[in-house]
Amino acid sequence: NAGVMQNPRHLVRRRGQEARLRCSPMKGHSHVYWYRQLPEEGLKFMVYLQKENIIDESGMPKERFSAEFPKEGPSILRIQQVVRGDSAAYFCASSPAGRNTEAFFGQGTRLTVV
Amino acid sequence: TQLLEQSPQFLSIQEGENLTVYCNSSSVFSSLQWYRQEPGEGPVLLVTVVTGGEVKKLKRLTFQFGDARKDSSLHITAAQTGDTGLYLCAGKTGANNLFFGTGTRLTVIP
Repeated sequence: NAGVMQNPRHLVRRRGQEARLRCSPMKGHSHVYWYRQLPEEGLKFMVYLQKENIIDESGMPKERFSAEFPKEGPSILRIQQVVRGDSAAYFCASSPAGRNTEAFFGQGTRLTVV
Repeated sequence: TQLLEQSPQFLSIQEGENLTVYCNSSSVFSSLQWYRQEPGEGPVLLVTVVTGGEVKKLKRLTFQFGDARKDSSLHITAAQTGDTGLYLCAGKTGANNLFFGTGTRLTVIP
């Protein structure tokens, strides 16, 4: 059973370009969480999705950021018109449905905006 | 956003010593998870505690969930250099969202 897969592992974008980060959850997992991490800091919650639904996006900036988790295919975190401050590691985690289920993480995507 | 404070933020100890990391919140969680993260990698799940007052042991690691399900602690006995890393607690809310603590960076010196 493959773990959570994130790609790409490293992404370099120029200011103003778009960044698309992909997260394939573990088989059978219908919940996905996205987090952002700056060096030497903890994980900051961005968005929580279930298949075809955004459950909580309170941690995501209102502008330029969007997330989706379609019925088929990976979850996508999209950042439009990237700025230097978007440079960070972005992690996704997946869990199965149900209360108190455990969440497992991918290896992350390191975004660098130049 | 639920706030989980971890203390200490940084901890540097000699190999063989014991240590405790604390995770505190004013919010109640349905469960609490502890993760360890190494540089350049994603967090790895260590344990999940669900019941207030629950204690779980994983070899030299002991995890406790507070009676009120608002706080937790991680105790490491006889620390080893391989324990070095960033320790993160994460609380799961009734709405099934997962919020992380501020993190404790542990360095074990040989």
